[in-house]
Amino acid sequence: QVQLVQSGAEVKKPGSSVKVSCKASGGTFSSYAISWVRQAPGQGLEWMGRIIPILGIANYAQKFQGRVTITADKSTSTAYMELSSLRSEDTAVYYCAASLPNWWFDPWGQGTLVTVSS
Amino acid sequence: DIQMTQSPSSLSASVGDRVTITCRASQGISNYLAWYQQKPGKVPKLLIYAASTLQSGVPSRFSGSGSGTDFTLTISSLQPEDVATYYCQKYNSARGTFGQGTKVEIK
Repeated sequence: QVQLVQSGAEVKKPGSSVKVSCKASGGTFSSYAISWVRQAPGQGLEWMGRIIPILGIANYAQKFQGRVTITADKSTSTAYMELSSLRSEDTAVYYCAASLPNWWFDPWGQGTLVTVSS
Repeated sequence: DIQMTQSPSSLSASVGDRVTITCRASQGISNYLAWYQQKPGKVPKLLIYAASTLQSGVPSRFSGSGSGTDFTLTISSLQPEDVATYYCQKYNSARGTFGQGTKVEIK
């Protein structure tokens, strides 16, 4: 069973970018899709996008199109989510989650808190 | 894009009560529906996939049903440890849209 470990908390200025990593272990990284889901304080889960590392193809939610980039490094079994032009509303916990393509999400990473503040 | 709508947004019930949460898809999604439980400050946990298949280790008081556009999550006998927010999610395509969540509390 794959396990996901995310990078640590970040504090960013408005207008800057953040890049969060998600390292997989214990499974065949390339076989999975890695999705990114965010949760603003007191809010629900919001799917941002996903990548299938073996294909190198990423799909994004329309809301984040043009501002988010999801990549994967098969050599290190690590997925990345970069969000640019940060604003205060992007303050949230960002989760990565693994799935077989078009399957349910399990497991999830532990979450990374990104705080956007001047 | 397919939208997922849950109801109610919150509920309060007594220990031992039967609790039902509804999730409706704006278009048919067959049985490509999962349910997650998220306790405060914790990572979401998969409860049910394929609309009605219980994830290993999940108590049998949880059950799911439905197909097409209408789905339900049922807790047959609410326990104190079930206090959480529950989310449905469709996964029939690349876009894994979630419902807005249902917060379950003990009365």
